[in-house]
Amino acid sequence: NAGVTQTPKFQVLKTGQSMTLQCAQDMNHNSMYWYRQDPGMGLRLIYYSASEGTTDKGEVPNGYNVSRLNKREFSLRLESAAPSQTSVYFCASSERQGQAEAFFGQGTRLTVV
Amino acid sequence: GESVGLHLPTLSVQEGDNSIINCAYSNSASDYFIWYKQESGKGPQFIIDIRSNMDKRQGQRVTVLLNKTVKHLSLQIAATQPGDSAVYFCAENLRGGGSNYKLTFGKGTLLTVNP
Repeated sequence: NAGVTQTPKFQVLKTGQSMTLQCAQDMNHNSMYWYRQDPGMGLRLIYYSASEGTTDKGEVPNGYNVSRLNKREFSLRLESAAPSQTSVYFCASSERQGQAEAFFGQGTRLTVV
Repeated sequence: GESVGLHLPTLSVQEGDNSIINCAYSNSASDYFIWYKQESGKGPQFIIDIRSNMDKRQGQRVTVLLNKTVKHLSLQIAATQPGDSAVYFCAENLRGGGSNYKLTFGKGTLLTVNP
């Protein structure tokens, strides 16, 4: 059981480039999330999808877009990368929103130069 | 600002001692809390959760206490082992728009276990 799988694991971008971070879960979960983690900042929610077909902004959505492609997949897109987006990105999923634990992927370490 | 925070950013204990990691939350309407453990280079891993209608919940070597009066959450680890060294996060289930909920994390506490 793979759980939550993120690709790529590492990425270096130049300022202004675009890229899409991929996330897939095999637990038949309804809700999916994208977080970023910066030193000393904990995890901050970028976007979430409560269920297939819906997406909502989290705490720090600026500069990002998301797509809930189907129940399994939730992608995060950076249209024009900036150095401030250098971070570790985590995708997570949970059975439902509300009182349910979230399972996390291994993360994508992104550096924007 | 963040509604979930931690009293201490670092905690150092001796192997075999008990560890207590604290967390404060500000939203009295939060109904669910989770503790996560994050080892270096890995994603957060679920440890234990507690609903707001409970004061205490026990797992294997871990206990979570919830004090709703002062909006305080703690994680107790018994007989701390070197493998417990990690960053520990508390997370709060906050209600977003409509019926949506969002899991919001505190900054984390780095636990170091000395042999």
